[in-house]
Amino acid sequence: DAMVIQNPRYQVTQFGKPVTLSCSQTLNHNVMYWYQQKSSQAPKLLFHYYDKDFNNEADTPDNFQSRRPNTSFCFLDIRSPGLGDAAMYLCATSTASGGADTQYFGPGTRLTVL
Amino acid sequence: TQLLEQSPQFLSIQEGENLTVYCNSSSVFSSLQWYRQEPGEGPVLLVTVVTGGEVKKLKRLTFQFGDARKDSSLHITAAQTGDTGLYLCAVREGGNTPLVFGKGTRLSVIA
Repeated sequence: DAMVIQNPRYQVTQFGKPVTLSCSQTLNHNVMYWYQQKSSQAPKLLFHYYDKDFNNEADTPDNFQSRRPNTSFCFLDIRSPGLGDAAMYLCATSTASGGADTQYFGPGTRLTVL
Repeated sequence: TQLLEQSPQFLSIQEGENLTVYCNSSSVFSSLQWYRQEPGEGPVLLVTVVTGGEVKKLKRLTFQFGDARKDSSLHITAAQTGDTGLYLCAVREGGNTPLVFGKGTRLSVIA
């Protein structure tokens, strides 16, 4: 089935140790998003790609970077994770039609920082 | 300031009860979406409403978009334990912009 896949589902890292989260999609959607979701909070958009065009939210820390080598894959790199970066990280995709189009989410990667 | 205010934040009810949750804003939107997020999973789209006053039904779930397109409600009839989850409303502020989510209502249905 076409879907959004995130690996790993659970990631444990140490304070300050770089970590990379992966997302892939078989939907062939133009747009890919990374959200951070902390407990009992709404998903917070970090950045998104419209094809290869990278769009960073103004309040996304510099510690967070992203790469999209091709349509199917997108990576979230956290260069020096702090305790406050522990969260669920959600990847999503959509077509570029805007308006009422659906965002399809992956199952998320839960990041723990020790 | 939160663009979308959802209420209540938490709701715990017995199986079989009815409930309504709300999503409010002072802004007008061309469309509004409701997502449900189950524990440990990503959000899944339930419905999109686009017309002021529109009512959509999805089995026991009834969604309404306010006449002025500033607010929406979700009513669940005869709640089941499978309805447990985080209910998020979401909008786009314009055109091709990413979705903005409310903080959600965390629903727990107890058998």
